[in-house]
Amino acid sequence: GEDVEQSLFLSVREGDSSVINCTYTDSSSTYLYWYKQEPGAGLQLLTYIFSNMDMKQDQRLTVLLNKKDKHLSLRIADTQTGDSAIYFCAESEGNTPLVFGKGTRLSVIA
Amino acid sequence: NAGVTQTPKFRILKIGQSMTLQCAQDMNHNYMYWYRQDPGMGLKLIYYSVGAGITDKGEVPNGYNVSRSTTEDFPLRLELAAPSQTSVYFCASSPAGDGQYFGPGTRLTVT
Repeated sequence: GEDVEQSLFLSVREGDSSVINCTYTDSSSTYLYWYKQEPGAGLQLLTYIFSNMDMKQDQRLTVLLNKKDKHLSLRIADTQTGDSAIYFCAESEGNTPLVFGKGTRLSVIA
Repeated sequence: NAGVTQTPKFRILKIGQSMTLQCAQDMNHNYMYWYRQDPGMGLKLIYYSVGAGITDKGEVPNGYNVSRSTTEDFPLRLELAAPSQTSVYFCASSPAGDGQYFGPGTRLTVT
């Protein structure tokens, strides 16, 4: 079945950029998503990208997609302590349920 | 809009008890989902529905049942609770099979 892999932990200093990486196996993926989960809360949709795009920018967030390598990344510019959370990568073929990675815990050091 | 709401927030069950986790959305979304989240394991899909009257199994449906009699509501039923069902349960909805909106979760402990 489809699989989505992420590194489990990332630690950065406040003000630096964070880059969270994700790889997926489903070559039919149409949509790729990034979700943020703060402690004790549900998942919040941050951004998504269609598989025919290479890059999407939304304020401090930049998503890069390398479809050939099935690699997705999320860059957070000027990382703040409020960005500390778990970030989930997810993919779908469009009308199929999302497949989630296990999440990357981002810790921001002041 | 309230978005996706879930009740209760917390629950402790004894082994063998039954309960229903409630989920409602007011965004007129056709698709609704139930996930469980275990520590360090990400989210696993239990059941989903593409519209009223239609439900499908996800990755981990055993021990659970769902119904979808209206667009707004998608309750999840546990018939005979087991310790392995201790988890955080999230309900989500989406307008089609794409970006999902999540509820705040129900933390369930079975002892």
